[in-house]
Amino acid sequence: GAGVSQTPSNKVTEKGKYVELRCDPISGHTALYWYRQSLGQGPEFLIYFQGTGAADDSGLPNDRFFAVRPEGSVSTLKIQRTERGDSAVYLCASSPGLAGPYEQYFGPGTRLTVT
Amino acid sequence: SQQGEEDPQALSIQEGENATMNCSYKTSINNLQWYRQNSGRGLVHLILIRSNEREKHSGRLRVTLDTSKKSSSLLITASRAADTASYFCVEGGSNYKLTFGKGTLLTVNP
Repeated sequence: GAGVSQTPSNKVTEKGKYVELRCDPISGHTALYWYRQSLGQGPEFLIYFQGTGAADDSGLPNDRFFAVRPEGSVSTLKIQRTERGDSAVYLCASSPGLAGPYEQYFGPGTRLTVT
Repeated sequence: SQQGEEDPQALSIQEGENATMNCSYKTSINNLQWYRQNSGRGLVHLILIRSNEREKHSGRLRVTLDTSKKSSSLLITASRAADTASYFCVEGGSNYKLTFGKGTLLTVNP
């Protein structure tokens, strides 16, 4: 079956621009997660959705970052006024949700480069 | 979840050899998970061991858990070049978010 997909796979943008990163989770998975991974580091948690609501957004670094999941399936991570420090691979994951522990299924990531 | 700390940071072996990676953690856990990340297949869940289990096998993988020492190990037997990857251990509590360390970078030389 289809796994988690993310688009675009690569995004190059100029400092100060706005970007949107999209995640399509595995069908039927109610839980969706966003992580960010910098070079040489493990993934870092950003935000977790259970259904349509953000159950935990404590990992978002500042108010330039925002994520939505309006219909409880596809999610979009939005970054305003991008900075060079935002350059990283953004990973999305999903899991069946509701009760754990569940392994998380990760997408291939979006590599964001801010010039 | 809390961050596990993997050891060593890097490991280089020859194809066919066994690879052992260790993980230490700080808090009480419900489970511990191991993930692998390489450029070909991305980040993939390998195995989950619950706090009441001491050992678990999956194919060429063997995971042990010692809750008294707050440590776990991942053994890969008869390694292959395709096992080249970063390996992460992640403590699982009753919550959902995974906290990754820097991982162990395993290189398997043909």
